Amino acid sequence: AQSVAQPEDQVNVAEGNPLTVKCTYSVSGNPYLFWYVQYPNRGLQFLLKYITGDNLVKGSYGFEAEFNKSQTSFHLKKPSALVSDSALYFCAVRDMATGGGNKLTFGTGTQLKVEL
Amino acid sequence: DAGITQSPRYKITETGRQVTLMCHQTWSHSYMFWYRQDLGHGLRLIYYSAAADITDKGEVPDGYVVSRSKTENFPLTLESATRSQTSVYFCASSGGLAGVLTQYFGPGTRLLVL
Repeated sequence: AQSVAQPEDQVNVAEGNPLTVKCTYSVSGNPYLFWYVQYPNRGLQFLLKYITGDNLVKGSYGFEAEFNKSQTSFHLKKPSALVSDSALYFCAVRDMATGGGNKLTFGTGTQLKVEL
Repeated sequence: DAGITQSPRYKITETGRQVTLMCHQTWSHSYMFWYRQDLGHGLRLIYYSAAADITDKGEVPDGYVVSRSKTENFPLTLESATRSQTSVYFCASSGGLAGVLTQYFGPGTRLLVL
């Protein structure tokens, strides 16, 4: 079974500082990995994905994520945080070794708070 | 470009009543999904559909029914609402140029069951 863990319920960072939101995954085959962001009272918005190739993936709003196969991690990063980045972030995984519906499994989410 | 819409956005109902949440997408995506979002659980998949007239259960299907007679619509029905079904419900779709794996979400329906 595929699963994903976001070990931090909340991450606090000062504006202008780099931020990291952690995600680890468990799959039996090769993973497809995703990050989504949710602003208050809104649906989830796609940020970026890793399918194959370069381990550093660049996405929307200056975010990037690094795929690390040996550590089974896919941490979300941004070099300089903005107050407007404050939101709920979800990591998701699809195990390519399993069939059935292109289903994603989501983590429980990490609340990012960027303060002045 | 309407994308994916959900209606109603807010709903209050009583225990035992039937409730239908609507989801409509304009992209002709083949896949559609229903999730519920609860504090501490993240998003949990209720049902999904690979195409019109093809649906399958997700992680938490009990108490819910879906249908998909047209590609663009994927309604979710709570046959007899319970308080435990109070939640925020999200519809999503995937397919097209972005590929079948990248899901795009609607704005959500906030449901309160009294």
